[in-house]
Amino acid sequence: GAVVSQHPSRVICKSGTSVKIECRSLDFQATTMFWYRQFPKQSLMLMATSNEGSKATYEQGVEKDKFLINHASLTLSTLTVTSAHPEDSSFYICSASTSVAGGPSSYNEQFFGPGTRLTVL
Amino acid sequence: QKEVEQNSGPLSVPEGAIASLNCTYSDRVSQSFFWYRQYSGKSPELIMSIYSNGDKEDGRFTAQLNKASQYVSLLIRDSQPSDSATYLCAVNPDYKLSFGAGTTVTVRA
Repeated sequence: GAVVSQHPSRVICKSGTSVKIECRSLDFQATTMFWYRQFPKQSLMLMATSNEGSKATYEQGVEKDKFLINHASLTLSTLTVTSAHPEDSSFYICSASTSVAGGPSSYNEQFFGPGTRLTVL
Repeated sequence: QKEVEQNSGPLSVPEGAIASLNCTYSDRVSQSFFWYRQYSGKSPELIMSIYSNGDKEDGRFTAQLNKASQYVSLLIRDSQPSDSATYLCAVNPDYKLSFGAGTTVTVRA
C-alpha cells in the first residue's frame, strides 16, 4: 500500500503554545488529505478535509481558527493546533487519498499516517 | 440510525479458528467498502477494499459484499494472536469515509 508519514510522532507541550503536525504522502500524490482525532477507546472522528491549493473543509463543531490546516503541495498537509489546552490532548491521525485503477470512478483508498500523540500539560 | 454499524464486541476466538465480522450501512449510494485493522495505540491500516458484490480473498482475509442487503463482512481464517486488534468497517458514500465503531477481536492462544 501507499505510505504516509507523520511528524512528530509524539509531542508534549505547555498550555497556550501552538503545535504543528506534518503529514506527507511519500510515494504518491494526494489531492485530498484528511485529519482525524481519536480519544482513548473511541472511534475516529473526522476533523477536516484538506485539498491542495484550497481552503480546508471542517466538520461541524471543529473550530477552524483553532485547528489550522494548510495543504501546500500534493504531498504535504500540516495541522497546527493553536493555543493548545489540556482538552486538546489526543491522538491526531492524517490520511491521504489515492485513486485505484480499475474500480469505479469514485473508488479512492485512504491510507493513514502513523499518528501524532499530543499531550498538553 | 448510524451510517455504519458493526456487531458489538469484543469477539474472542481460539487460535486457528475463523473470526467473522459484520457491518451494515445505511447509505445506498456507497460504492466502496473497506476494512481497517487498528492495533492499540496505533493508526488504522487498510487490509481489504471491495466494491463488487461477492467475495474477495487476500491471504487469510475474505471480504464479502452484498449491496442489496447493505452489508459487508470480513472473515479471518486460521486466526493468529497477531490478529488481535480492533477492526473498523468503512464505507465511501462520497469523498469521505464513514467509519463504524469497530469490533475488537481477541485471539486466544
